[in-house]
Amino acid sequence: DTEVTQTPKHLVMGMTNKKSLKCEQHMGHRAMYWYKQKAKKPPELMFVYSYEKLSINESVPSRFSPECPNSSLLNLHLHALQPEDSALYLCASSQRSGFYNEQFFGPGTRLTVL
Amino acid sequence: KQEVTQIPAALSVPEGENLVLNCSFTDSAIYNLQWFRQDPGKGLTSLLLIQSSQREQTSGRLNASLDKSSGRSTLYIAASQPGDSATYLCADYGQNFVFGPGTRLSVLP
Repeated sequence: DTEVTQTPKHLVMGMTNKKSLKCEQHMGHRAMYWYKQKAKKPPELMFVYSYEKLSINESVPSRFSPECPNSSLLNLHLHALQPEDSALYLCASSQRSGFYNEQFFGPGTRLTVL
Repeated sequence: KQEVTQIPAALSVPEGENLVLNCSFTDSAIYNLQWFRQDPGKGLTSLLLIQSSQREQTSGRLNASLDKSSGRSTLYIAASQPGDSATYLCADYGQNFVFGPGTRLSVLP
């Protein structure tokens, strides 16, 4: 299995809702990433998990809460989001974090905050 | 902080042309340079990864080169096809996790 899967594909939520995005890979990768991509812009790194531990948090607001329950699974919990948080959320994985490691991306979750 | 730029921002060519996409970076301490393609509203597909000790990588009709001294990487696409139409992004990661803004390529039949 050489792919990264993300669910759901689309999500519409109100500003008071709580929802979660899910990302899964079965390639034995030990690094997983969350990116946010606004329309016609490049992806921006949010979080990096290495060996199930949070290694990078790019000053992301606390309304985004990542979780890595095991080496194959990465969640992003959402609470009290703002309309400007509407974007494509991309998950990626690599064998290790950092040097010489190719990143593989999932198809993304399209999030709309009303 | 690393800054990555890509020229041109958009490119339209007739089918069959060979073309070059450019990626420039400000910090030459680059460890991985990866090229991706992204179709509208979709995730990223990895095309080529060049490690800092390498100067180029090839896959099919694609060839990517890396010149750290000049802060540049180029992606060469031979014999372009309409199916190559997409946005092409380069990214530096290793110490940085920075993407360029992308080049939107249209290959006309």
